[in-house]
Amino acid sequence: DAGVIQSPRHEVTEMGQEVTLRCKPISGHDYLFWYRQTMMRGLELLIYFNNNVPIDDSGMPEDRFSAKMPNASFSTLKIQPSEPRDSAVYFCASRTTLNTGELFFGEGSRLTVL
Amino acid sequence: AQSVSQHNHHVILSEAASLELGCNYSYGGTVNLFWYVQYPGQHLQLLLKYFSGDPLVKGIKGFEAEFIKSKFSFNLRKPSVQWSDTAEYFCAVNAEGGSQGNLIFGKGTKLSVKP
Repeated sequence: DAGVIQSPRHEVTEMGQEVTLRCKPISGHDYLFWYRQTMMRGLELLIYFNNNVPIDDSGMPEDRFSAKMPNASFSTLKIQPSEPRDSAVYFCASRTTLNTGELFFGEGSRLTVL
Repeated sequence: AQSVSQHNHHVILSEAASLELGCNYSYGGTVNLFWYVQYPGQHLQLLLKYFSGDPLVKGIKGFEAEFIKSKFSFNLRKPSVQWSDTAEYFCAVNAEGGSQGNLIFGKGTKLSVKP
């Protein structure tokens, strides 16, 4: 079975540009999570969805960040405009309601904002 | 608010040494507990999990963890580490019993194993 699929794997952009990260969760999973990982702050939850509905976005750092889940098989995390401090690895993860909370992570998108 | 504390930021061991990584959480109710491993340049993968039953949980690659409810702890152990265990280890808790909500992660502990 395919796991959680993220794209792009690497993105280098300049400050002020728009960045869109994409995620395809595991089929049948009804929860989707976006995490950000940095050396300084570790793994931070940004937002999560249940059945395509955002449940908790309290971790989204600023209005420059937005996330959508238009259907059960696709989600985007957008940063507009991007800043150097947004440089991080962004992970998407998914899970089902029926399991015991285990998350399945994607490979991550490494973002570098110059 | 719930939190997870991992006491060691970086642990350096020689091969064949024994390992114990500490993890404490702050939540008084039912919890599910997890250890994830992140090998260099890779994503997080589940190492082991506890949700009920025997508090001593065995995971992959010879790892085990013990849930001690009275101490709010879920320490990770391995009797003899290998160079290939070099990775970052994250403790996580689902504080709502597993069916709902998100995982709360600790800051992680980097393990470096010298050959």
